[in-house]
Amino acid sequence: DAGVTQSPTHLIKTRGQHVTLRCSPISGHKSVSWYQQVLGQGPQFIFQYYEKEERGRGNFPDRFSARQFPNYSSELNVNALLLGDSALYLCASTKGQAGANVLTFGAGSRLTVL
Amino acid sequence: AQRVTQPEKLLSVFKGAPVELKCNYSYSGSPELFWYVQYSRQRLQLLLRHISRESIKGFTADLNKGETSFHLKKPFAQEEDSAMYYCAPLFSGGYNKLIFGAGTRLAVHP
Repeated sequence: DAGVTQSPTHLIKTRGQHVTLRCSPISGHKSVSWYQQVLGQGPQFIFQYYEKEERGRGNFPDRFSARQFPNYSSELNVNALLLGDSALYLCASTKGQAGANVLTFGAGSRLTVL
Repeated sequence: AQRVTQPEKLLSVFKGAPVELKCNYSYSGSPELFWYVQYSRQRLQLLLRHISRESIKGFTADLNKGETSFHLKKPFAQEEDSAMYYCAPLFSGGYNKLIFGAGTRLAVHP
């Protein structure tokens, strides 16, 4: 198993643009979560999706959206990019929606906004 | 409010010395508690979880509910332990949400 895979690994955008980040969970995992990690800080929760529905949302503006596909892969979309959106975006997968599940993380997509 | 405090940004020790990485949390209820580690150029990975009570790579963590702390300890640090360590309670009110601290960088010198 390749583990949680994310693409792209690095990307550079300019302010006002839009970005789409992709994540494939571990085979058999039905839940995908997204986290934002700004340099020097711990990861912050953005969304959790389970069975293609949003199950939880962190304190992020509506410019951030996501979706989950029938094969359980997921996309994170960020519109109207700001300089402050520059960060490492992490995807994590778990088997279930809730409970004491262990989150397994991908390597991340590093976004730089100029 | 849910909050995690890791008071030390950097902990620098010599090989063979004991290590304690502190973690305090404020959280209503009894969260499941985790430590995650990120080695240089590697992805964030689980080090240990409280519920399993395992010792991973010589690390242990004791939950003190009275002090709401979950400090990570190792009696004899090794150079390969140098990494970034994150304490993370899991909020499980209907969905999974890890609340990460800012992290502590452990540097073990030869």
